[in-house]
Amino acid sequence: AQSVTQLGSHVSVSEGALVLLRCNYSSSVPPYLFWYVQYPNQGLQLLLKYTSAATLVKGINGFEAEFKKSETSFHLTKPSAHMSDAAEYFCAVSGTFKTIFGAGTRLFVKA
Amino acid sequence: DVKVTQSSRYLVKRTGEKVFLECVQDMDHENMFWYRQDPGLGLRLIYFSYDVKMKEKGDIPEGYSVSREKKERFSLILESASTNQTSMYLCASSLRPSGVLYQETQYFGPGTRLLVL
Repeated sequence: AQSVTQLGSHVSVSEGALVLLRCNYSSSVPPYLFWYVQYPNQGLQLLLKYTSAATLVKGINGFEAEFKKSETSFHLTKPSAHMSDAAEYFCAVSGTFKTIFGAGTRLFVKA
Repeated sequence: DVKVTQSSRYLVKRTGEKVFLECVQDMDHENMFWYRQDPGLGLRLIYFSYDVKMKEKGDIPEGYSVSREKKERFSLILESASTNQTSMYLCASSLRPSGVLYQETQYFGPGTRLLVL
């Protein structure tokens, strides 16, 4: 069965610094990989989606993620953090009947 | 623009009450889902439905039931609310393109924060 592991339940960066949120999936290659973001008191919204068309996926708000099959990873990055990026981020993989979500990583951005 | 709405943002109920959480989507999606979200546990799937009147148990269905009488509406029912059901409840929907087995992007409602006293 598919599974997703997000390394680090909390990540803290300074404004302007690189953001790196880590995600590893189980060994079988999923058809789709997702990153969702949840701002305080809101539902989740799609940040980006991998569909095997390209290994580097660009999303909204300057985020991107790279699919690396050899490392079974799909890490999320942003070159320069902004205060408005403070949120919880979920990595997810598609299954046959359901989507499997990671436990989430809360991003804190310091001024 | 894609929209999933949930009937309440905040709800306070007493132990033993029957609780209804409603979710409506306007995207003509086949699939609908109910999750609960608790700190440190991420999202846990309670029930999902891939068609009208169809329902499937998720990972934590105990103490819950669902109803899907119309394509756009998916209701979560807590038959007898208990304090351990205090949580954030999220509804989501997704397309099910024909011939595609895997789950597409899910669209989420804003959530209902339920407190059971």
